[in-house]
Amino acid sequence: DTAVSQTPKYLVTQMGNDKSIKCEQNLGHDTMYWYKQDSKKFLKIMFSYNNKELIINETVPNRFSPKSPDKAHLNLHINSLELGDSAVYFCASSQEDRDGNTIYFGEGSWLTVV
Amino acid sequence: GNSVTQMEGPVTLSEEAFLTINCTYTATGYPSLFWYVQYPGEGLQLLLKATKADDKGSNKGFEATYRKETTSFHLEKGSVQVSDSAVYFCALSDPGSSASKIIFGSGTRLSIRP
Repeated sequence: DTAVSQTPKYLVTQMGNDKSIKCEQNLGHDTMYWYKQDSKKFLKIMFSYNNKELIINETVPNRFSPKSPDKAHLNLHINSLELGDSAVYFCASSQEDRDGNTIYFGEGSWLTVV
Repeated sequence: GNSVTQMEGPVTLSEEAFLTINCTYTATGYPSLFWYVQYPGEGLQLLLKATKADDKGSNKGFEATYRKETTSFHLEKGSVQVSDSAVYFCALSDPGSSASKIIFGSGTRLSIRP
């Protein structure tokens, strides 16, 4: 059973389109995230939700809008796609315990904007 | 604030060589420390972790010891294999801060020659 699953894995689309990436976790975690990984493998946090509430919203264009219908799902919608949005987007989840947070990642969604 | 610094790559070694990837951190509290591995075309997977000073995390022949006196968590492996080729990320989580404060290093790409 996949713990954090995201779809689609690959997405090629034209500039100006709107697209969504879906994410689900079956770990019972309270916190979910979206990260963006650029071509140099640098990971940047975009959003974080805790129990469906937005708690981190980094400097991300407002064309990116996360939606969390329940604590097991966090979807990412992107409007008016631009060439610079091409990247790998990772969904993740975590649960805070006495050890801090161990974060679990999905397998990534490779977005290419042409 | 908290931060993680890891050695820049790429690191290229021959099979069966000894590996060290350096990681140092700054933190205001008592963080938990992690190493994640990202194989080509995949998401990040937890490799090992340590939650307090002098703890040693280990998995798949990799080890890292939490050194509070040098604020380090260097990753080591005695004899690397071609299958270890991947990008390695050091990370910290501070239990005293908000649930989403997981800080990643910039990643180190490791290539192993047969």
